Amino acid sequence: DAKTTQPPSMDCAEGRAANLPCNHSTISGNEYVYWYRQIHSQGPQYIIHGLKNNETNEMASLIITEDRKSSTLILPHATLRDTAVYYCIVRVFILTGGGNKLTFGTGTQLKVEL
Amino acid sequence: KAGVTQTPRYLIKTRGQQVTLSCSPISGHRSVSWYQQTPGQGLQFLFEYFSETQRNKGNFPGRFSGRQFSNSRSEMNVSTLELGDSALYLCASSLSGGSTDTQYFGPGTRLTVL
Repeated sequence: DAKTTQPPSMDCAEGRAANLPCNHSTISGNEYVYWYRQIHSQGPQYIIHGLKNNETNEMASLIITEDRKSSTLILPHATLRDTAVYYCIVRVFILTGGGNKLTFGTGTQLKVEL
Repeated sequence: KAGVTQTPRYLIKTRGQQVTLSCSPISGHRSVSWYQQTPGQGLQFLFEYFSETQRNKGNFPGRFSGRQFSNSRSEMNVSTLELGDSALYLCASSLSGGSTDTQYFGPGTRLTVL
């Protein structure tokens, strides 16, 4: 499985953009980068995913470098409710038999403060 | 559309007992995956079911088992409970587990083994 590396923690002031980096240097050409977040002991919440192009939705933007070895999740205007653990995941698509599994790392604890 | 639901939300058992957890996927979703989350090991993939068949399995002992019903609802069972089985058990559903599917998580079942 492709491994991801994230900083263990980050702080962000409320109202400012939060930029969360992720390294995935062993990613394969057909593997997607997914971002989830988990607010204290709740189920992980899907945020966004991408293959090679930058993506944006109502929650966040995902910037993937041209060589696909790293990406950045951007929360444009962080609020206190964005305090959570953010997981960057390279999705493994299982070729034999189909299906997939998510391999979670340790994530980044984002703390948004006033 | 209703999200993934899991029952019960909290459970307390003693060592040696067995437990059954239930998961109802999002309507129309046919793939159900189970994950275990502990402070020491993080989020780990248990298994995935699709069309009532286990399609993929993580690295867990045979005490952990599951099944899926024709309506895509899934149950997981843990027999001969050990203290180390105390964890948050998460269920996630997706349309078919295909390469572009997104997994959506339920709130989890918090299992405490005494």
